[in-house]
Amino acid sequence: GENVEQHPSTLSVQEGDSAVIKCTYSDSASNYFPWYKQELGKRPQLIIDIRSNVGEKKDQRIAVTLNKTAKHFSLHITETQPEDSAVYFCADLMTTDSWGKFQFGAGTQVVVTP
Amino acid sequence: DGGITQSPKYLFRKEGQNVTLSCEQNLNHDAMYWYRQDPGQGLRLIYYSQIVNDFQKGDIAEGYSVSREKKESFPLTVTSAQKNPTAFYLCASSILWDSNTEAFFGQGTRLTVV
Repeated sequence: GENVEQHPSTLSVQEGDSAVIKCTYSDSASNYFPWYKQELGKRPQLIIDIRSNVGEKKDQRIAVTLNKTAKHFSLHITETQPEDSAVYFCADLMTTDSWGKFQFGAGTQVVVTP
Repeated sequence: DGGITQSPKYLFRKEGQNVTLSCEQNLNHDAMYWYRQDPGQGLRLIYYSQIVNDFQKGDIAEGYSVSREKKESFPLTVTSAQKNPTAFYLCASSILWDSNTEAFFGQGTRLTVV
């Protein structure tokens, strides 16, 4: 089953507005939460990440927040631009002493209209 | 360009045939992963490996097989037992999770069964 749930599946915003994508995870062993952006026909690329000992991280127009108690983390994009249009994936990294694996959400198609 | 290469970019297979997708990385990463991407379902983990000659099943391993004979290479074989093999396949690699853990993706292979 899906260990990372992501909402919404599609998001349409006007240029200049903010976009928020939310994810929940189920396993307490998760300790690293990256966000990837996939433009049409291209490979996913990391845009921001957060570790379990941090509550919030910001990089210019994008920010990620983490609520470990509720097992929620969110991506915030402010002042959206047309080039922000893409599919965004959240993920978590579950680790034990001997293995680790990335689990991805289903993705959010973000469309920024001029 | 990320140092992880998948080939071929497009692959056609007849029903009942096995086919092998190539994934090579020159990033000196220990961990490698295979994901399947279908519309609306995000990235689903097929197999992953942390070390040469060792790998683990992901969430949808049935009908697939892998090998890890070299650190640089993690080929995926789609067997005739895979009921619905037409999909976009992404390979990724990362340093082990006790340091920077960004997963780098290849450009993907689109497999079509005809």
